Amino acid sequence: DAKTTQPNSMESNEEEPVHLPCNHSTISGTDYIHWYRQLPSQGPEYVIHGLTSNVNNRMASLAIAEDRKSSTLILHRATLRDAAVYYCILMNYGGSQGNLIFGKGTKLSVKP
Amino acid sequence: NAGVTQTPKFRILKIGQSMTLQCTQDMNHNYMYWYRQDPGMGLKLIYYSVGAGITDKGEVPNGYNVSRSTTEDFPLRLELAAPSQTSVYFCASLPGEFYSGNTIYFGEGSWLTVV
Repeated sequence: DAKTTQPNSMESNEEEPVHLPCNHSTISGTDYIHWYRQLPSQGPEYVIHGLTSNVNNRMASLAIAEDRKSSTLILHRATLRDAAVYYCILMNYGGSQGNLIFGKGTKLSVKP
Repeated sequence: NAGVTQTPKFRILKIGQSMTLQCTQDMNHNYMYWYRQDPGMGLKLIYYSVGAGITDKGEVPNGYNVSRSTTEDFPLRLELAAPSQTSVYFCASLPGEFYSGNTIYFGEGSWLTVV
């Protein structure tokens, strides 16, 4: 199964942009790139996903490299509530029959 | 829709006891998953199911069993609980249509302590 690599931790100041990187060099052509985040003592929640083109929603933006071997989750203005662990995962029903693999994620700290 | 519901939320077990973590979803999702998360660590897949009657092992299946008799329910059974099974358990589901843009829905977690 394709896997992802993320930095263990990152820090940001409140109201500044944050760029969270993810490497997925073995991504297949039908893998979607998904980002989830986990707030303390809660289950993971969906943030954003994409296939080839950059994506924007109310929570964040997703920038996908042209070769799709890496992606970046962008939080435009970090708030204290964005402090969480962010997971980048690949989803492909056809290949692994739904065997989803979460890496260790990136722990984002936001300083006031 | 209630989404993904897990019970119990908290439980303390003695070594050697058995218990079942319940997971129910009301979204008619085919795919369901059980993950465990140890303190400060990421999620590890225990078992998953792609539909009623079909289950498969994930990364850390030892000490656990699952069944999937209905689309809605995916219980996780712990036999002979051990301290190493102290963890937070998350159940998740997503639709089974061949569209990988679908999102995963997680339950709120079950905190299990084995003493």
